[in-house]
Amino acid sequence: GENVEQHPSTLSVQEGDSAVIKCTYSDSASNYFPWYKQELGKRPQLIIDIRSNVGEKKDQRIAVTLNKTAKHFSLHITETQPEDSAVYFCAARVHNAGNMLTFGGGTRLMVKP
Amino acid sequence: NAGVTQTPKFQVLKTGQSMTLQCAQDMNHEYMSWYRQDPGMGLRLIHYSVGAGITDQGEVPNGYNVSRSTTEDFPLRLLSAAPSQTSVYFCASRNPTGRDEQYFGPGTRLTVT
Repeated sequence: GENVEQHPSTLSVQEGDSAVIKCTYSDSASNYFPWYKQELGKRPQLIIDIRSNVGEKKDQRIAVTLNKTAKHFSLHITETQPEDSAVYFCAARVHNAGNMLTFGGGTRLMVKP
Repeated sequence: NAGVTQTPKFQVLKTGQSMTLQCAQDMNHEYMSWYRQDPGMGLRLIHYSVGAGITDQGEVPNGYNVSRSTTEDFPLRLLSAAPSQTSVYFCASRNPTGRDEQYFGPGTRLTVT
């Protein structure tokens, strides 16, 4: 089955700096790659996603890039703010197998004011 | 729309007890799934359903049963709780013909002593 690895597990940045979180996946049949933000005690919330026919997608301060050949994708957050502090999860979905998500282990992002 | 709802929010069980975690959605989504999230880890798929009457196992199905008699409801049953099942459980749903986004419920925090 699909395996998703995420790095780093923790990331501390100064307010205003950029943050980059990287994920790799194993199944070349995966075609959908969402990123979720989870605040303490809350449910995961989708912040951005990308399909395999697109190399990059941007939404204000966040962007995701996908390299299908290398089977990795990254989340980029620019001009970080304290409210960006949370745990971020990447995920991948294979077209078959019920179309369910396989998640990475998560990255705890801390933005220091 | 209420979206995806889960009950209870918190539950404490003794080893060997049984219980059912409830999940319901009012968006007419065909796909529903159950994930567990252990401290400091990503979400792992327990069971999923692609429609009423159809269920299948995910990555960590042992110790859990599911059924899907209606489109709206997807209960998760623990037949004989074990301390290893202490976790936060999230239910999710998705419309396979619509947006890619998977919608998560608020979660159930389960402690087995």
